[in-house]
Amino acid sequence: DAGVIQSPRHEVTEMGQEVTLRCKPISGHNSLFWYRQTMMRGLELLIYFNNNVPIDDSGMPEDRFSAKMPNASFSTLKIQPSEPRDSAVYFCASRSLAGELFFGEGSRLTVL
Amino acid sequence: EDQVTQSPEALRLQEGESSSLNCSYTVSGLRGLFWYRQDPGKGPEFLFTLYSAGEEKEKERLKATLTKKESFLHITAPKPEDSATYLCAVGMDSSYKLIFGSGTRLLVRP
Repeated sequence: DAGVIQSPRHEVTEMGQEVTLRCKPISGHNSLFWYRQTMMRGLELLIYFNNNVPIDDSGMPEDRFSAKMPNASFSTLKIQPSEPRDSAVYFCASRSLAGELFFGEGSRLTVL
Repeated sequence: EDQVTQSPEALRLQEGESSSLNCSYTVSGLRGLFWYRQDPGKGPEFLFTLYSAGEEKEKERLKATLTKKESFLHITAPKPEDSATYLCAVGMDSSYKLIFGSGTRLLVRP
């Protein structure tokens, strides 16, 4: 199995630009999570999907953030417009039936 | 309030010097306690799941144990390649969420 695949691995953009991060979960996992990791706040859950349906987006910091999961094998996290304080590593994870989360390699976002 | 606390924040060991990392938690209804390893520039890598007090799991030089209030990750005769950040996370009966601790940064010197 290829594991959770995220793209891009690195993104540098200017304030105000739109950013789209992508995720392909492990085949057969029906739950998908988006996390953000910073030195100050550690790993924070942004949004959770179950069977492609958003269940809890209470961790999404502002309306500038949105996430979609159009099918079982693809999800996007979009930030529009981006701000310097959005700089972080964004992780996608999918969950096995046993409840373990498997993370992708992350997308490191830098907003100048 | 549901909470997960890891200690120490950072730990430096000499190669071969065994030690333990601590993860203490206060949650209402533990579904499982998870240990992850994270290398710089990588995503967290799953290590163990523990479900009930008294349970133990082992993998190479690592052994995880669980009580009703805390979990320990014991590292026996560590090697430099064990250097990483170790994260614990708690899952609750009432929620799909995992609450992560802030991690312990382990450095093993040759």
